[in-house]
Amino acid sequence: SQTIHQWPATLVQPVGSPLSLECTVEGTSNPNLYWYRQAAGRGLQLLFYSVGIGQISSEVPQNLSASRPQDRQFILSSKKLLLSDSGFYLCAWSDLAGYNEQFFGPGTRLTVL
Amino acid sequence: GQNIDQPTEMTATEGAIVQINCTYQTSGFNGLFWYQQHAGEAPTFLSYNVLDGLEEKGRFSSFLSRSKGYSYLLLKELQMKDSASYLCAVMDSNYQLIWGAGTKLIIKP
Repeated sequence: SQTIHQWPATLVQPVGSPLSLECTVEGTSNPNLYWYRQAAGRGLQLLFYSVGIGQISSEVPQNLSASRPQDRQFILSSKKLLLSDSGFYLCAWSDLAGYNEQFFGPGTRLTVL
Repeated sequence: GQNIDQPTEMTATEGAIVQINCTYQTSGFNGLFWYQQHAGEAPTFLSYNVLDGLEEKGRFSSFLSRSKGYSYLLLKELQMKDSASYLCAVMDSNYQLIWGAGTKLIIKP
């Protein structure tokens, strides 16, 4: 069966510090991978998605970036965090066709102070 | 623009039935999804509709009318553990999910 991991679970970072969140998927090959952000009481905002190694599409211009160095690894990064980067970050995967449901990792709660 | 509308919050009684509505306006349509999200946790998949009609899964059912841009999630025999947010999402013509803000469902004993 497929599983998706994210770490860390929680993170408190000062403004201006760097960020690296990691997501890995097990039990599937060539998945579509997604990074979402959810502000408190709000819906999911798609940040990045990837259909393959090294292929990243950005949905929202911002100070975040994403990379996919391996088929089942997806990394979200920032060089300098802003207060507005606080939120609940979710990684998700779907099968290659992307037609079916997305499965979410446990999420990382990021607080920027 | 693309838009998904759901009520912000609903309250229901344990053992009762509740219907959560979702209306959408998107560029293309490739299916509608309902997810459940407990506070502080990740969303989990509940249902998928791509054709008009009702899909039933145990205590949960989901209905779709593509001509009206409308769906609802019906929860029967409510239990306290059903207290959660319910997210409606539509897959557009680019196969991207457009998400509603979610409906927070509060179950009272």
